[in-house]
Amino acid sequence: AQKVTQAQTEISVVEKEDVTLDCVYETRDTTYYLFWYKQPPSGELVFLIRRNSFDEQNEISGRYSWNFQKSTSSFNFTITASQVVDSAVYFCALSAKSGGYNKLIFGAGTRLAVHP
Amino acid sequence: DGGITQSPKYLFRKEGQNVTLSCEQNLNHDAMYWYRQDPGQGLRLIYYSQIVNDFQKGDIAEGYSVSREKKESFPLTVTSAQKNPTAFYLCASSTTDRAFFGQGTRLTVV
Repeated sequence: AQKVTQAQTEISVVEKEDVTLDCVYETRDTTYYLFWYKQPPSGELVFLIRRNSFDEQNEISGRYSWNFQKSTSSFNFTITASQVVDSAVYFCALSAKSGGYNKLIFGAGTRLAVHP
Repeated sequence: DGGITQSPKYLFRKEGQNVTLSCEQNLNHDAMYWYRQDPGQGLRLIYYSQIVNDFQKGDIAEGYSVSREKKESFPLTVTSAQKNPTAFYLCASSTTDRAFFGQGTRLTVV
């Protein structure tokens, strides 16, 4: 079975704090992809990053960084020096084979509130 | 512009009526998905399709139906059997390694 768990429902920080959003996944597939999406209040989903299961290199993009660890089935997302514009709901997602079909499933999301 | 178009953006339905949400993509993707999002909740998978004329039930398919007669189109019908249809509906299409989303349809039962 495939599953994505985002245990943090809501996080509240003050601007300039660092914050880490946790994501734990389950899949039996050896080839899979992990994603992070941002959902601002307008509702559309904004793609942030993709990682395939064979690439465990961590990635940094500006204030964003991602830590992928297969040993713990985790794909955590860190925002450094958070800003008010980072306030949104963040979703972790997993794309893997299920019954011969590629299935894309999401975690429940983490609502991040960054206060001035 | 390439992308996914969902229409309408807002939809109101009377109880007991069926209603169809449109999703069109011009990205030449084989895979398409429908998700439901309730306020403060995550995205739950309703139906997905990997190829024309084939689709699979997701986690919450009851009360919904889909068709995939063309690669570009994956309409979702919310039937009267869906007891609580008020929600935000998102359509996506994907390659193996990336999904693209429409802007969503907000359905309200009045």
